[in-house]
Amino acid sequence: DAKTTQPNSMESNEEEPVHLPCNHSTISGTDYIHWYRQLPSQGPEYVIHGLTSNVNNRMASLAIAEDRKSSTLILHRATLRDAAVYYCIPSGGSNYKLTFGKGTLLTVNP
Amino acid sequence: KAGVTQTPRYLIKTRGQQVTLSCSPISGHRSVSWYQQTPGQGLQFLFEYFSETQRNKGNFPGRFSGRQFSNSRSEMNVSTLELGDSALYLCASSLAGSPAARYFGPGTRLLVL
Repeated sequence: DAKTTQPNSMESNEEEPVHLPCNHSTISGTDYIHWYRQLPSQGPEYVIHGLTSNVNNRMASLAIAEDRKSSTLILHRATLRDAAVYYCIPSGGSNYKLTFGKGTLLTVNP
Repeated sequence: KAGVTQTPRYLIKTRGQQVTLSCSPISGHRSVSWYQQTPGQGLQFLFEYFSETQRNKGNFPGRFSGRQFSNSRSEMNVSTLELGDSALYLCASSLAGSPAARYFGPGTRLLVL
């Protein structure tokens, strides 16, 4: 499994953009980069995933470095509902499991 | 479309007993995976099933087992319960394996006394 490094915690203000970084220097060529988040007292929630190109969906954008050793999850306008633990997970190929690390606890201030 | 459902939501058992947890995936999803979440170890992968076949297994003892039925519903069983098995057990479904998004259920909270 690729090792990931994420900040333990980050803080943001409501309606401001948030950039959540992740280092995954040992990622394999077939691994996708997945992001999930877990709100308090809930199961994890899928946010976004990508392989090489930057990806956008209604929840967030994913910026992937050209060498794929790092990525950044971008929340364009943070809301209080975005307060959660965010997990960056390289996974793919024949490995179907998601290996969750400790993630980044995002606090959103009103 | 209904989300992933897990039953029961809460369960209290005593050491030595066994327990069976159930997971109904989103309609049309054929892959089901199970995770254990504890405050100390975080989220850990148990196993994943696709079309009734186990494709991957995490590092858990043989007391933890699972199966998937032809309608994609899945069950996991824990035999000879230990205190350390107290955890939130989460089930996730997806259309296929990686890189498809996994959709998690609310979990079953198991307390072993």
